[in-house]
Amino acid sequence: AQKITQTQPGMFVQEKEAVTLDCTYDTSDPSYGLFWYKQPSSGEMIFLIYQGSYDQQNATEGRYSLNFQKARKSANLVISASQLGDSAMYFCAMREIGYQFYFGTGTSLTVIP
Amino acid sequence: DSGVTQTPKHLITATGQRVTLRCSPRSGDLSVYWYQQSLDQGLQFLIQYYNGEERAKGNILERFSAQQFPDLHSELNLSSLELGDSALYFCASSITGTGVDTQYFGPGTRLTVL
Repeated sequence: AQKITQTQPGMFVQEKEAVTLDCTYDTSDPSYGLFWYKQPSSGEMIFLIYQGSYDQQNATEGRYSLNFQKARKSANLVISASQLGDSAMYFCAMREIGYQFYFGTGTSLTVIP
Repeated sequence: DSGVTQTPKHLITATGQRVTLRCSPRSGDLSVYWYQQSLDQGLQFLIQYYNGEERAKGNILERFSAQQFPDLHSELNLSSLELGDSALYFCASSITGTGVDTQYFGPGTRLTVL
């Protein structure tokens, strides 16, 4: 089974609107971390946000928030007030303790002016 | 700037050749990871080192090898290169090799095999 699933290959959002990028994960480990990375067209991978499996509250970092639903095994990224510079590929990732990172296939986000 | 450095930024070489990619982790990070990103394969984990020791192995070909040196920098060696090895190669680092600490990525080395 896929460890990380991102079902939206491409998304469009109007500038200043909010957008949700979906991510589901698969693990039987009680302790794990969930991550989102952004990859603009320039190629670098930029860390955005982290959520630990034991964290009670959803993580937030500026305009980014992670909607963590543990029972559903989902970790959706919410970007509020989208900007043109948010156009990029977004990758969801998971790490179980002691193991490698698993990355999803990514979602391409295009912000329309 | 993540603090992870990779050299060179671009590399163009011919089939059959051998190249070495270099990575310096963030200050204080003990673990280094290598990834390959190609258009058709997505982001593939290759190998992880922690404080000089190999910690985990992913989809790394036998033609590829890596090591982490005492100063914690790492090198990825790619030999007998094929056209299909053309990709963006990322190095990432994290504080520990276990736990759920965040990986920070370098800018990548874009390898083109002609």
